[in-house]
Amino acid sequence: QSVLTQPPSVSGAPGQRVTISCTGSSSNIGAGYDVHWYQQLPGTAPKLIIYINSNRPSGVPDRFSGSKSGPSASLAISGLQADDEADYYCQSYDGSLSASVFGTGTKVTVL
Amino acid sequence: QITLRESGPTLVKPTQTLTLTCTFSGFSLNTRGVGVGWIRQPPGKALEWLALIYWDDDKRYSPSLRSRLTITKDTSKNQVVLTMTNMGPLDTATYYCAQGIHHTASRWFDPWGQGALVTVSS
Repeated sequence: QSVLTQPPSVSGAPGQRVTISCTGSSSNIGAGYDVHWYQQLPGTAPKLIIYINSNRPSGVPDRFSGSKSGPSASLAISGLQADDEADYYCQSYDGSLSASVFGTGTKVTVL
Repeated sequence: QITLRESGPTLVKPTQTLTLTCTFSGFSLNTRGVGVGWIRQPPGKALEWLALIYWDDDKRYSPSLRSRLTITKDTSKNQVVLTMTNMGPLDTATYYCAQGIHHTASRWFDPWGQGALVTVSS
């Protein structure tokens, strides 16, 4: 059902930098719609960590950064920490579906 | 501080109708650009957007579930209600409500409620 594709998992050692891709199409990200990112810690509700491609809400560390190019977007986590272990989801809008759409989700593991 | 809380049955039987209520505080659904959305997550699976209602009563639905969903708001009670008809086992999920932000052409959800687990079983 997800129209935005993410890698199932990424991993890194503490202190390293990891990136998560979010690939869409010409009807969503490629059409110019913005991308937003959510962090879901185990057993909790999702939390917004990036909005409008690269903006961080108040309280989100600057270790988290987002970018968008063409039909894809990326979330980068630098200085990886143990409490960054979570599932991460991208979200955008699809003009053809007239619907908000989420990515397939990526599990980040800190080695 | 903005908070949202989902309430409703934890168990429904197949073919029954699910009614979930989102009770919120800290914002008004009379404010331009504000909405409340519903998103669900089956156990171990990804998030799926279901529906969204805006301050002007504009309603949007997931194309794949449109025929089964109805979203309404009661501004005086600060509540949004989602009904889903003909529930089946594949509808077992945690259902979240969240504030929907509509800014220019951008739409996102923040914050989210804690979620309500709904199991469909006879």
